Amino acid sequence: DAGVIQSPRHEVTEMGQEVTLRCKPISGHDYLFWYRQTMMRGLELLIYFNNNVPIDDSGMPEDRFSAKMPNASFSTLKIQPSEPRDSAVYFCASSHPGQGAIFGSGTRLTVV
Amino acid sequence: AQSVTQLDSQVPVFEEAPVELRCNYSSSVSVYLFWYVQYPNQGLQLLLKYLSGSTLVKGINGFEAEFNKSQTSFHLRKPSVHISDTAEYFCAVSVFTGGGNKLTFGTGTQLKVEL
Repeated sequence: DAGVIQSPRHEVTEMGQEVTLRCKPISGHDYLFWYRQTMMRGLELLIYFNNNVPIDDSGMPEDRFSAKMPNASFSTLKIQPSEPRDSAVYFCASSHPGQGAIFGSGTRLTVV
Repeated sequence: AQSVTQLDSQVPVFEEAPVELRCNYSSSVSVYLFWYVQYPNQGLQLLLKYLSGSTLVKGINGFEAEFNKSQTSFHLRKPSVHISDTAEYFCAVSVFTGGGNKLTFGTGTQLKVEL
């Protein structure tokens, strides 16, 4: 398996633009997570899915953020409109129940 | 809710010396425990995990950790470090029930191995 695949690796966008981050989890994993990493706040769980259903989105910072998982092999995290404070590394991870999550390489987002 | 504390933000150590990175957790229910490593500009890689059974867990790259329920600790150790072990290390906890399988991370410990 190729692991968790995220795209793009880097994204630079202007404030106010829409940004879409993409993730392909490991085949057969039941859970999918979106994390954000910043120097100030460390690793924060934004939202996670179980069998394509959002279970907990309490970490999503505000309504500008949305996430979908239309099928077992694809998820998106969208920010609209983007703001400079959204600049961070966004990680997607997937796992079996009770197992350690496997992380993707991340998307480094810079909003200017 | 569960939480993780990594008291040491940075740990400098000379090459070939032993190292221990400390992790304490708080939870009202039984937990799974994990250590991850993050190299610069990369994602997090799973080093080892404690799910049940033996309290001494061995992982990749010669690392091991011991689960101590009475002290609510899960310290990471390596008997002899190498320059290539320089990275940030994260302890994480997840619970058996309620919150599904989500991980709660500590703030990380930067391990710097010097010659």
